[in-house]
Amino acid sequence: DAKTTQPPSMDCAEGRAANLPCNHSTISGNEYVYWYRQIHSQGPQYIIHGLKNNETNEMASLIITEDRKSSTLILPHATLRDTAVYYCIVRGPNTDKLIFGTGTRLQVFP
Amino acid sequence: DTAVSQTPKYLVTQMGNDKSIKCEQNLGHDTMYWYKQDSKKFLKIMFSYNNKELIINETVPNRFSPKSPDKAHLNLHINSLELGDSAVYFCASSYSGNEQYFGPGTRLTVT
Repeated sequence: DAKTTQPPSMDCAEGRAANLPCNHSTISGNEYVYWYRQIHSQGPQYIIHGLKNNETNEMASLIITEDRKSSTLILPHATLRDTAVYYCIVRGPNTDKLIFGTGTRLQVFP
Repeated sequence: DTAVSQTPKYLVTQMGNDKSIKCEQNLGHDTMYWYKQDSKKFLKIMFSYNNKELIINETVPNRFSPKSPDKAHLNLHINSLELGDSAVYFCASSYSGNEQYFGPGTRLTVT
């Protein structure tokens, strides 16, 4: 599975958009980009995933660059409850193994 | 309604004991997993079962034995507990390997 690189921490003001970057320069053509988050002391929570096209759901948007070497998770209107560690994971189609890195700790402040 | 549940939430025990953690999912998923999150917050997969068949078996001491009585349950039995087994253990489930839904975790403390 491709390695991902994320900034260790980010801050965001409440109500503003949080843009969390992820580099995955060695991603293969059939590997998906998944995002999960872990709010303190809770189990990880699935957010969104994509292959090539940008994706949007009720939680977030996922923007994948055309060369697929990086992506950005966008929380359009961050709230205090979005404070969590966000994990960007690259996963192949023939495995359901998730390899969690160190993630980005997002702190949303009032 | 809890989608993925684990019992107990907290488990404190002494070295050398044998303990079990139970996991149940009511999502109708066919695949279940066990993950371990250590004190440094690294989250690693241990096992996965698909339709009661072991699919993923990472490098885990054989003191750890998963048991899946049916598709909705995956229990984790640990023999001869060691200090290094102290961690938070998360159960998860998915449908055919798609997005995984995690339980609330079981915090195991070995003294």
